[in-house]
Amino acid sequence: DGGITQSPKYLFRKEGQNVTLSCEQNLNHDAMYWYRQDPGQGLRLIYYSQIVNDFQKGDIAEGYSVSREKKESFPLTVTSAQKNPTAFYLCASIEGPGLAGHEQFFGPGTRLTVL
Amino acid sequence: GQNIDQPTEMTATEGAIVQINCTYQTSGFNGLFWYQQHAAEAPTFLSYNVLDGLEEKGRFSSFLSRSKGYSYLLLKELQMKDSASYLCAVKNNAGKSTFGDGTTLTVKP
Repeated sequence: DGGITQSPKYLFRKEGQNVTLSCEQNLNHDAMYWYRQDPGQGLRLIYYSQIVNDFQKGDIAEGYSVSREKKESFPLTVTSAQKNPTAFYLCASIEGPGLAGHEQFFGPGTRLTVL
Repeated sequence: GQNIDQPTEMTATEGAIVQINCTYQTSGFNGLFWYQQHAAEAPTFLSYNVLDGLEEKGRFSSFLSRSKGYSYLLLKELQMKDSASYLCAVKNNAGKSTFGDGTTLTVKP
């Protein structure tokens, strides 16, 4: 079955620690995205990557870092510089970012809580 | 940049029809999407519009007017399971999608 996986579903970390959230897709999609969602709000774009070894900052990239060494993987690191990291993190992929009519497929999300 | 506006909350009765509006401002428009999101779950795709007009898909329809920067999602024959958040998202030519804050729909018996 093709799809996007994110692990773990729930993650707890102490303040000041870096943490890496995984995102893997076997859909052979070119573009991948990371979003953050806070209660009662929509999705805000953190980083996105349209091809391997290339990525761009989204609207709220400060305190986050990413890598795209493989087409199927797009891990997100939440660094200690992120002032309010507790949130629901969603990874998504799309077949061809510049193509019209292609919706994003979302992973199940990781709920990060920083204590 | 891109700016998306949609109502925060709506309430409707089971079996009724509800219309959720979305207005947007963007450059390089390359499509508008509607997603449904149940609490603590990932969004799922509902509809897509890139040309003006109405797209119908079962109980769900979506309308777009590019000149007005306006879209709506129409839900017919409402069911209790339709209670969810509905997200409007606009994609630009660079492949970037911007989401609205979502409309929380509550369907009552």
